[in-house]
Amino acid sequence: GAVVSQHPSWVICKSGTSVKIECRSLDFQATTMFWYRQFPKQSLMLMATSNEGSKATYEQGVEKDKFLINHASLTLSTLTVTSAHPEDSSFYICSARDRGRISYNSPLHFGNGTRLTVT
Amino acid sequence: SQKIEQNSEALNIQEGKTATLTCNYTNYSPAYLQWYRQDPGRGPVFLLLIRENEKEKRKERLKVTFDTTLKQSLFHITASQPADSATYLCAYTGTYKYTFGTGTRLKVLA
Repeated sequence: GAVVSQHPSWVICKSGTSVKIECRSLDFQATTMFWYRQFPKQSLMLMATSNEGSKATYEQGVEKDKFLINHASLTLSTLTVTSAHPEDSSFYICSARDRGRISYNSPLHFGNGTRLTVT
Repeated sequence: SQKIEQNSEALNIQEGKTATLTCNYTNYSPAYLQWYRQDPGRGPVFLLLIRENEKEKRKERLKVTFDTTLKQSLFHITASQPADSATYLCAYTGTYKYTFGTGTRLKVLA
């Protein structure tokens, strides 16, 4: 149980184009989803918290106009990297908390990440 | 600011031995600590959670301790196997946010 599906697993795009990454909770409902960015040999850096039906909360230093987050349903959140540049190349990972187990210490269920390469 | 640190970036250990990973936190007193495993190119997978009033938690070959005096959590893998090779992350939650350590890359040598 508690499977999070993230697509695509990798994507290569040209500079200036936009890329959409999907994160789906397959067997549970997720009121809250988190989007992380991870650089090689570094930890997860929280980019934003996505709440179903409301605006995402972005961390300091993360451009909300560049990283658009939409959480349209209890099972789907999307991250769109707009006007991508080579410095946006990274590993993006989403995670979700089970709505039925909502407490601030609930384990996170992660997708398998998306490797974005911008050429 | 709140910090969580995993002292060892990498740890090599012989198969069959016990691997011990360290997680230290500063400027915060978390009520819970979590441990995750991350394989290359994959998302982390939850392993164990320990509460501040629990000294120790076990799950099969895994053991986690929580020392609030030392502000430290230790993660042990007993009878380690090459399949245990991965990066292990500790994390704590503050309100709704999860803060992750930088991880320790464990390599178990056959």
